[in-house]
Amino acid sequence: GNSVTQMEGPVTLSEEAFLTINCTYTATGYPSLFWYVQYPGEGLQLLLKATKADDKGSNKGFEATYRKETTSFHLEKGSVQVSDSAVYFCALSDQSGNQFYFGTGTSLTVIP
Amino acid sequence: SAVISQKPSRDICQRGTSLTIQCQVDSQVTMMFWYRQQPGQSLTLIATANQGSEATYESGFVIDKFPISRPNLTFSTLTVSNMSPEDSSIYLCSVDPSYGYTFGSGTRLTVV
Repeated sequence: GNSVTQMEGPVTLSEEAFLTINCTYTATGYPSLFWYVQYPGEGLQLLLKATKADDKGSNKGFEATYRKETTSFHLEKGSVQVSDSAVYFCALSDQSGNQFYFGTGTSLTVIP
Repeated sequence: SAVISQKPSRDICQRGTSLTIQCQVDSQVTMMFWYRQQPGQSLTLIATANQGSEATYESGFVIDKFPISRPNLTFSTLTVSNMSPEDSSIYLCSVDPSYGYTFGSGTRLTVV
């Protein structure tokens, strides 16, 4: 079946530090991969996505590359800001495109 | 991408009562999805709603507890019935991924 395994948190970083949140997946066929962000008290926002192997999704300084050989989609940012404090969810959409499978979420706190 | 308006954004309800959550989409979409996010947890799919047919429920969710309506291609409601404190969660709707992988802003429900 389809599943997503995500690095557990919480993660606390100083401002301008480098961020990596690991995500690996199990899926049949060719899923699409996503990172969503949830700011305190808000709903989910799509951060970035990649729909095929070797694609790199990027947005707001965040990047993730779809690695089929390692079944991974790690989220990275070179220099985090306090405003990046949120919960980050890795997700996949199955080949039918009709259902999402979410990781458990990683809480990130960035301190000044 | 489709824009989804979800309401209410939050509510505090007495146990034993019911709450209906609405999602309005600015496009005509084939499929709508309802998810639950329990405190500190990831998202779990409750059901898939197609216009003109009965909703399809995931394991662990039943129609009597979570009745869903889908009267047209732009609107859906989820009712949380006979609520207990265990129903305290964030409920989110989403649409057919071909419309942009977006989610509603969520309804934060607290049952007291």
